[in-house]
This record gives sequence, C-alpha cells and structure tokens, in this order.
Amino acid sequence: QVQLQESGPGLVKPSHTLSLTCTVSGGSISSGGYYWNWIRQHPGKGLEWIGYISYSGSPYYNPSLKSRLTMSVDTSKNQFSLKLSSLTAADTAVFYCAREAGYDDFPRGMYYFDYWGQGTLVTVSS
Amino acid sequence: SSELTQDPAVSVALGQTVRITCQGDSLRSYYASWYQQKPGQAPVLVIYGKKSNRPSGIPDRFSGSSSGNTASLTITGAQAEDEADYYCNSRDSSGNHAFGTGTKVTVL
Repeated sequence: QVQLQESGPGLVKPSHTLSLTCTVSGGSISSGGYYWNWIRQHPGKGLEWIGYISYSGSPYYNPSLKSRLTMSVDTSKNQFSLKLSSLTAADTAVFYCAREAGYDDFPRGMYYFDYWGQGTLVTVSS
Repeated sequence: SSELTQDPAVSVALGQTVRITCQGDSLRSYYASWYQQKPGQAPVLVIYGKKSNRPSGIPDRFSGSSSGNTASLTITGAQAEDEADYYCNSRDSSGNHAFGTGTKVTVL
C-alpha cells in the first residue's frame, strides 16, 4: 500500500520561503509512470492544484504560482519537495502531496490522484 | 480555460439518489476524477476514468458519467456516511490541473 507523508514547518514568517517534503513509502518514485503533486486548501475553501514533478525531475507548475515555486525529487530518499517563496498570509493553507496516475488518450485522456498524504497545516504569520 | 464549475450544495434524503455535476472545457478532452472530503480529512478518490472506475473500498453506489463539457457523479442510495464535500478534477491540454469549486452534499 502506497503511503505519502508531508513534513515541514507549521509556522513560517511572511516574506520567507516554505520548504515541504513528501516521503513516499510502499512504492518507488523512480519506478516511473506517475506524477508527484502538491495541492493546497486554504482554510474553509476548496482545493488548489500547485504543481507536479515527474520521477525524472521535470516539473510543471500552476501558472498562478510559477514565479514563486520550485519542486524537486530525491529518488535516493524516495521523496519529493516543494519550495514556495515570498510568502504572505494568503499562503496559509493545508498542503497535501498526492500521487497522480493516468494517461493521454483519444477522445479523452484520464488522470487522477490515487494516493494522498494526510496534509500539513502551514500558517504564515510573524 | 481549465476552470471547473460545480453547484455549491445539494441535499438528498437517506436512501435516495443524488447527482453532482461539474462543467468545464477541459472535460471535452479529459475525464473527470472525483474526490470525497470529510471535515479534517484528506480527499479520497471515489471515481475516475471512462468506465466510472472505483478504487478498492469505494461502494458501488458511486458512479460517474461524462457528456460534452459536463461530468457527473451519482450516488445511488445515499447513506449518512456519504455526507461530505465532493470535488471534481481534470487536466487540460496544457498540463494544468483544475479542481472544481466543490459541492457540499447533505444527507437528510
């Protein structure tokens, strides 16, 4: 059974950079075929997709966050990470990591998040 | 545009059927996946793909369908434990993902 676990600080100061790590167990990131995602949820709000990174290290970011985002993968530790810079109070949210599976096809492709971490609350405050 | 629109809230009597819809241009090119989220918990995948696939452990009262730019999640014979927020999700042709605005399902 694949499991994901987020780790990182619960409190970060404004203008600072948030660093989160997702540790994957029960499966290898380097086996390929999946995308490794970050998703967040502001308090009382809906889900917001942040971006993903492939096992080979190719990232894809939400355009609205791209200028502040860096994602990386460490296959030796079976982890992937997120760095979000220039934080403001508006970045306060629960951050989830999730595995994405799927493929492109015609007339419709399909992608889905089959495993999620439990989420970690990040508060941006001085 | 990769925006996905859902009705904010629906209610259903215990044992009855409820349909939740999700609309967006990206659904013409990608099937929606559906997620159930209960308070204080991470989302859980309930439906994905063309054949209304359900992960192991998801009851068969959950089903999905797609037509044009609309995807639907149907709960047939809703149970009290189905009360939750439901989100659709889809990629778009650029590789972006979008989540729907979410639907709160209340079981009466």
